[in-house]
Amino acid sequence: ELQLVESGGGLVQPGGSLRLSCAASGFTFISYRMNWVRQAPGKGLEWVSYMTSSSSNIDYADSVKGRFTISRDNAKNSLYLQMNSLRDEDTAVYYCVREAYYYDSSVFDYWGQGTLVTVSS
Amino acid sequence: AIQMTQSPSSLSASVGDRVTITCRASQGIRNDLGWYQQTPGKTPKLLIYTASTLQSGVPSRFSGSGSGTDFTLTISSLQPEDFATYYCLQTYNYPRTFGQGTKVEIK
Repeated sequence: ELQLVESGGGLVQPGGSLRLSCAASGFTFISYRMNWVRQAPGKGLEWVSYMTSSSSNIDYADSVKGRFTISRDNAKNSLYLQMNSLRDEDTAVYYCVREAYYYDSSVFDYWGQGTLVTVSS
Repeated sequence: AIQMTQSPSSLSASVGDRVTITCRASQGIRNDLGWYQQTPGKTPKLLIYTASTLQSGVPSRFSGSGSGTDFTLTISSLQPEDFATYYCLQTYNYPRTFGQGTKVEIK
């Protein structure tokens, strides 16, 4: 069974840091581009970052650029998000999302259950 | 960044109603669009990809159409389990962008 399990969320003060992890299983992790998507309480979905399967390409939303760093360890089937200089507005549930190719188009096809990050003093 | 304008932001409907949600892209995105359903406290679920292809296991009352800049999600006969929030997502380029969401509520 395909699974994406996030961990590492919690309460952190503004300006603090947190590292999220996503453990993947049930599929060939090294073959897929991976993403982080977040959802602030009561709000919509916001794409945060992606990394290609070989780690050769990375991108970030402007709202997190320079503060967040995405990485992966294909040997451990894991995706990470290092979050520094956290702000109140980073409070959200963070989802790990697999991106696959269907008929030459990218699709966010599997989502983890999410991990809650709360930034508050 | 490509803006995805989704409408309406909310709607009230009854079981059995036909419901239509639209998404407009600020530039052409071919058919690189997906539709997602999210019920409260749950993870988003893929319904439609490449604008019109039904994901495996999704009921046939859901359908999608469109290409370029204008897209539509239709629920042909609303069921109780369909009351949820729906999002479109463009995967044409980065940054990936979602529509603002459409909350479908019980009338």
